[in-house]
This record gives sequence, C-alpha cells and structure tokens, in this order.
Amino acid sequence: GENVEQHPSTLSVQEGDSAVIKCTYSDSASNYFPWYKQELGKRPQLIIDIRSNVGEKKDQRIAVTLNKTAKHFSLHITETQPEDSAVYFCAATNTGNQFYFGTGTSLTVIP
Amino acid sequence: DGGITQSPKYLFRKEGQNVTLSCEQNLNHDAMYWYRQDPGQGLRLIYYSQIVNDFQKGDIAEGYSVSREKKESFPLTVTSAQKNPTAFYLCASRFNGLGYGYTFGSGTRLTVV
Repeated sequence: GENVEQHPSTLSVQEGDSAVIKCTYSDSASNYFPWYKQELGKRPQLIIDIRSNVGEKKDQRIAVTLNKTAKHFSLHITETQPEDSAVYFCAATNTGNQFYFGTGTSLTVIP
Repeated sequence: DGGITQSPKYLFRKEGQNVTLSCEQNLNHDAMYWYRQDPGQGLRLIYYSQIVNDFQKGDIAEGYSVSREKKESFPLTVTSAQKNPTAFYLCASRFNGLGYGYTFGSGTRLTVV
C-alpha cells in the first residue's frame, strides 16, 4: 500500500515568516493530495488539496506544490500568524477510497 | 457540528468490556471511516465503508468491529480483544469519487481504567 512520510515533525517560526512542510509518497499511482489542519482539541479540517494533473495551487496565504517525478508535495504558509499554530497532516490516495496520512507536523508561530 | 457527530466526547472503559462509539452524519455522504489517532503516529485507518451493508478493514482492524446498517450511521465497537484501546478516535465521511475530501467528526477520547 501507500506510504506517506511527513517532515518535519515539529516546526517553529516567527510571526510573519514562512513555513514549509514536506511529504513524500511511495505509490506513483496516487493522484489526490489533501492537507488537513488540526487545532488543539479540535477535528482535522481540510485546508487545501491538489490533484496530480496540477503542479501548484494557491489559496490566499496557503499554497501546495506537487512534484510527481520526485513523488513529493509540500505545504507553504506565508506571512504566518499565531492562529496558524496547529498540527498539519498531509494525505495521499490513488483511488479516493482510502487516504493515507502522514504523521503530522506541529507548527508553532511565535508572536 | 459540521454535519457529522460523534458521541460520547469522552469514554472510559474497564478491562474486558466492549464499548461502542457512535458516528452519525447528515451530509448524505456515501463513505464513512474510523481512524485512530495516537501521539506521533498520525491517523491510522481502522475500518471504512463505502456503501450501506458493506465495510472493509483498514490497517489496524484487529480488536474492532463496525456495522453500516444505515447510510447515516457507522458505529465502532472496541472489543476486549483490543489490547491497547486508549486513544483518540475520529470518524470521517465523504462522497465517493476522487477529489472529495473528508469531513471529520469532533472525536471520542477513549480511556481504559
């Protein structure tokens, strides 16, 4: 099955700086890659996703890039704010039936 | 509650007991999922169901059981065979088909006492 690795496991940035989280996947057939944000004590929520026919997608301060050749995709958060502090999970799927999640990145934005 | 409700929020289980976690959705989603979340291990799939009366094992199904008698409901039973059940359990649902993400419930924290 698919194996998704996520790095780093923890990340601290100063407010206003950028944060980058990277995930690699093993199954070249994977073609949908969502990112979830989980604030402390709350449910994970979808923040952005990308399909394999697209190399980059942006939504305000958040962007995701995909390199199919290298089998990795990354989450970029610019102009970070304290409310961006949370655990971020990447996921991959090739069928849509089952998502394979990374182990999460705990992001802390220091005011 | 985002259309998917888990109950209870906290649950305590004694050794040897079976307990059932509830998950209900009113989003008309086709598929429902149960994940277990442990610190440092991300989300691990227990069971999932794409249609009523059908479900498949995930990566860590041992010691768990599910049913899908109604589209809206996907209860998870943690049996006494699950040796380390203390964890945070998340239910999710989605429309079938590629490109649809999960909607998660708010979770149930199960503790063995």
